[in-house]
Amino acid sequence: EAQVTQNPRYLITVTGKKLTVTCSQNMNHEYMSWYRQDPGLGLRQIYYSMNVEVTDKGDVPEGYKVSRKEKRNFPLILESPSPNQTSLYFCASSNREVATEAFFGQGTRLTVV
Amino acid sequence: RKEVEQDPGPFNVPEGATVAFNCTYSNSASQSFFWYRQDCRKEPKLLMSVYSSGNEDGRFTAQLNRASQYISLLIRDSKLSDSATYLCVAHDYKLSFGAGTTVTVRA
Repeated sequence: EAQVTQNPRYLITVTGKKLTVTCSQNMNHEYMSWYRQDPGLGLRQIYYSMNVEVTDKGDVPEGYKVSRKEKRNFPLILESPSPNQTSLYFCASSNREVATEAFFGQGTRLTVV
Repeated sequence: RKEVEQDPGPFNVPEGATVAFNCTYSNSASQSFFWYRQDCRKEPKLLMSVYSSGNEDGRFTAQLNRASQYISLLIRDSKLSDSATYLCVAHDYKLSFGAGTTVTVRA
């Protein structure tokens, strides 16, 4: 079954404690991206990747890091989380061809206290 | 200026009504457009692609106007199950999402 898998689904952590949210897709997609969603602000792009070892900043990259060592994985790293990073996070993947659908993971609800 | 802007709504309509809303995009290089549906902060799911000629999928009609750089979605004969947030997406080399339009269909 084609899918994008995010883990964990829920996480409560403390300020400053490094964390990683994993994202994996089994569709051999080149393009992967991370979004955060906050009430009234919609989906805002954090980082995206056009292929292995190619990553670029989105609209709200501050406080986040990503890596793309393999095609299927695109982890999101918060080196020193802060309360303003409390949000709902989605990972998405698609083929690079622009006319194709994006598939989303189920989301990660992160709370930083 | 945001790349994709939507009227946030909410649109509160009775069952059976027709509801329509637009989204505008700023990047004229955008090549593909989509409408996604999101329920209660679950993951967005593709509703339909949007083509220049306009396209219809059951009760849903999407239209693209490249000259004015907007996309529209029309829902006919609204059902309770249509209550959701509808996200407009423009795709050039990356996916740009609008903030979403909330639709509530009441009995």
